[in-house]
Amino acid sequence: GESVGLHLPTLSVQEGDNSIINCAYSNSASDYFIWYKQESGKGPQFIIDIRSNMDKRQGQRVTVLLNKTVKHLSLQIAATQPGDSAVYFCAERRSGYSTLTFGKGTMLLVSP
Amino acid sequence: GAVVSQHPSWVICKSGTSVKIECRSLDFQATTMFWYRQFPKQSLMLMATSNEGSKATYEQGVEKDKFLINHASLTLSTLTVTSAHPEDSSFYICSARQDYGYTFGSGTRLTVV
Repeated sequence: GESVGLHLPTLSVQEGDNSIINCAYSNSASDYFIWYKQESGKGPQFIIDIRSNMDKRQGQRVTVLLNKTVKHLSLQIAATQPGDSAVYFCAERRSGYSTLTFGKGTMLLVSP
Repeated sequence: GAVVSQHPSWVICKSGTSVKIECRSLDFQATTMFWYRQFPKQSLMLMATSNEGSKATYEQGVEKDKFLINHASLTLSTLTVTSAHPEDSSFYICSARQDYGYTFGSGTRLTVV
């Protein structure tokens, strides 16, 4: 299930389940979105990205969905594995700018 | 793939001293690099944008005289935390932008005692 901690929401799943991590972005002018995975003590690692002219993009075991109407982004991870346990961040980039704005993050805990 | 090397990975310093963190793009030229700060269980907060050969652009609330950024070459940007205090203890992360995306360094854990 999903719970909200002091700062970081946590999603707990069983190995083999599908995981869905959600993100509400803030700026309707954003045209590029990225999902990152961050393991403890490490920098963010690119997972998948999507541009605003698309509403779905698939990678290996991951799918990103974009709903511009409600400014919502989701990351779906199929057949979640213990190695997927990490904090996941969405990031948005406003059109015409180079900087990324990160969401608050979700901790994914995968139990065997 | 693109690699960004960040050094040191961790550092402990005494209050009042300065610490320099290096960020290098190993196999590409990065005209733009970014510096972030991350507190425990929180997101990455952009501190500044660094463009090669020009002054860095700092985000609101970030003291430019305290966090000195130098981007003297297309492969190296440095962040110097001057007169560090315990409240500066944090995880600092750099990122480099390329045509096809952003690559992050592995981060530097700074502890000021």
